[in-house]
Amino acid sequence: GQQLNQSPQSMFIQEGEDVSMNCTSSSIFNTWLWYKQDPGEGPVLLIALYKAGELTSNGRLTAQFGITRKDSFLNISASIPSDVGIYFCAGQASYDMRFGAGTRLTVKP
Amino acid sequence: EAGVAQSPRYKIIEKRQSVAFWCNPISGHATLYWYQQILGQGPKLLIQFQNNGVVDDSQLPKDRFSAERLKGVDSTLKIQPAKLEDSAVYLCASSLYPLIRQGTQNTEAFFGQGTRLTVV
Repeated sequence: GQQLNQSPQSMFIQEGEDVSMNCTSSSIFNTWLWYKQDPGEGPVLLIALYKAGELTSNGRLTAQFGITRKDSFLNISASIPSDVGIYFCAGQASYDMRFGAGTRLTVKP
Repeated sequence: EAGVAQSPRYKIIEKRQSVAFWCNPISGHATLYWYQQILGQGPKLLIQFQNNGVVDDSQLPKDRFSAERLKGVDSTLKIQPAKLEDSAVYLCASSLYPLIRQGTQNTEAFFGQGTRLTVV
């Protein structure tokens, strides 16, 4: 099925460190998206990727659409306290958009 | 540009009662989605509308859940009767283009703040 495996589940880092998280699947996706969700809020779109191999940046965030179309990663450089939250990957295929289980990021000042 | 509006923000009901959620998408967005997010999990798609028509409702538990988007703008999601396992955040999202056009721009979904439902 179109299950997304997101890792790691959680990360505890020091302010200023770089962060990397990824999503893999046994199925092909045509679009990969990365969202951030703060407590009590809906997910907010960070980066959208539309082509295999595409590398896109948004400030300190960089994401890539894997060449096989079965994976994607998100990097955050020089983390700051407001990066705290849950990061979700999402893949679009057919009529569905599936989400990973999320990576909970904690940044220590 | 105004975002996706949802109400209410919170709702507590007893099991077997009914409940309804309302959503107003971003202006001009033809595609509207309802997602269910159980605590500790990613959102799960329940139903997708294109204008006032249902594109996909294969994951909607139709014995108790229903949704409509009569005029192609705002939408309501109803649960009747509610069960304990329906406790979750219900998220509404909208996009300019439907998921069938995935791989092109403007299929990305923008979410509202959600309605947190507690069934006791």
